[in-house]
Amino acid sequence: DTGVSQDPRHKITKRGQNVTFRCDPISEHNRLYWYRQTLGQGPEFLTYFQNEAQLEKSRLLSDRFSAERPKGSFSTLEIQRTEQGDSAMYLCASSSPAGELFFGEGSRLTVL
Amino acid sequence: QKEVEQDPGPLSVPEGAIVSLNCTYSNSAFQYFMWYRQYSRKGPELLMYTYSSGNKEDGRFTAQVDKSSKYISLFIRDSQPSDSATYLCAMRGGSNYKLTFGKGTLLTVNP
Repeated sequence: DTGVSQDPRHKITKRGQNVTFRCDPISEHNRLYWYRQTLGQGPEFLTYFQNEAQLEKSRLLSDRFSAERPKGSFSTLEIQRTEQGDSAMYLCASSSPAGELFFGEGSRLTVL
Repeated sequence: QKEVEQDPGPLSVPEGAIVSLNCTYSNSAFQYFMWYRQYSRKGPELLMYTYSSGNKEDGRFTAQVDKSSKYISLFIRDSQPSDSATYLCAMRGGSNYKLTFGKGTLLTVNP
């Protein structure tokens, strides 16, 4: 399968714990995006990378959130000191040169 | 006013019906328009990607864009139970690939 891959698919954690999600984009895509989606809402933009450079961050991305893309390949999204409001689906996407965004299956976070 | 408005439904139709899904937007900088299908607990799947005003057809799906009215539509012909999903419209400006999504419309096609 050469699509966008995300891991883990589902993470259950206790409030205050740190969690990390990983995204492997489509190999020839140099732009990578993170979105967050809550129930009944469309995905909301969090941040994006062009190669290893993080070019834009949403105001939704508080100081507890950090994203990296070392060497311009896979990316990680870490949430520190999780809160119940962080419960959501975290979606990763990569874009073709034509600008089409392809999403992974998402990482669902449940904070107890 | 949100940048992208989409009626969340739910919309329920019988198998074989023609389905019409719509979004309006307020940002005139949006130039590229997409429709995604999302099954429950899955990631969005790209269905249609359009740029100019007019129609684009792909199998049973037709995407329509009217930039003068800031209105886009997705038509599904001969709808099937497997089309039951949430349909999300999304759009972006020219140089920035960041997408702005509607809330999604939940569609159920009944056999």
